[in-house]
Amino acid sequence: AQKITQTQPGMFVQEKEAVTLDCTYDTSDPSYGLFWYKQPSSGEMIFLIYQGSYDQQNATEGRYSLNFQKARKSANLVISASQLGDSAMYFCAMREGRSYQKVTFGTGTKLQVIP
Amino acid sequence: GAGVSQSPSNKVTEKGKDVELRCDPISGHTALYWYRQSLGQGLEFLIYFQGNSAPDKSGLPSDRFSAERTGGSVSTLTIQRTQQEDSAVYLCASSLQGGQPQHFGDGTRLSIL
Repeated sequence: AQKITQTQPGMFVQEKEAVTLDCTYDTSDPSYGLFWYKQPSSGEMIFLIYQGSYDQQNATEGRYSLNFQKARKSANLVISASQLGDSAMYFCAMREGRSYQKVTFGTGTKLQVIP
Repeated sequence: GAGVSQSPSNKVTEKGKDVELRCDPISGHTALYWYRQSLGQGLEFLIYFQGNSAPDKSGLPSDRFSAERTGGSVSTLTIQRTQQEDSAVYLCASSLQGGQPQHFGDGTRLSIL
C-alpha cells in the first residue's frame, strides 16, 4: 500500500480563491509527522508546513493551513487567497516513528493559478 | 553559505563512467538525506544519515550506488558504472534533527549519454 497518496495530479484555481490539495497517509505507528513542500518550476524544494501526530491543533503558516483529520488519515493543504506565484508542484510527505526517520513523499499535485 | 550546497549543479557523463555527487549541509544539521527525482516524478528516497551513520540504506537502487558522510557534515553519493536509467536530478536535504523539516539543495542534474 502507498504510504502517501495524492490523488490529484493537477489542479486549477482562480487567483485570490482558496484551494485544497488532498493527501492521505497510511501508517500504524502512533508517532508520525506530516509535511508539505512546494517545488516551483525552478526546481528548488521549499518547506511549507508541518503537522505532528500528537498536535492538538491544525498547523497554520500564513496563507497555508493543514486540515488534519487523524481518524481519516488525511492531511490536506489549504492555500487561501491564491497568488500567481503559488503555481508549482506540491508534495505531501510523512516521517514515521521517533527513531526511524525516513521520510516518504507522495507523487505530487501540480497547481496552476489562473489570473 | 547558509543553505544546502550541492555540486556539481550539472553533470553529463558517458555510460559506464563513475560519478561522485557532493552535498554540503547546513552547519549544525545532524540529519542528511539523498533523494532522486526523475523528470516529472516525485522524490525517491535513497539514503538517510544521522551524523555519519546511515541506519537505512534500503533505498539505494543497486550496489552501484554508495554514499558516505564524514565529520557529520559533507556527504558524497557515488554511482559506479553509470547507466542511462541513472539520469535524474539528485537532491540532498538536511535537517536539524531527523524527522524535522528538511532544507533542500538545488540538486545535481545528472545526464548519462
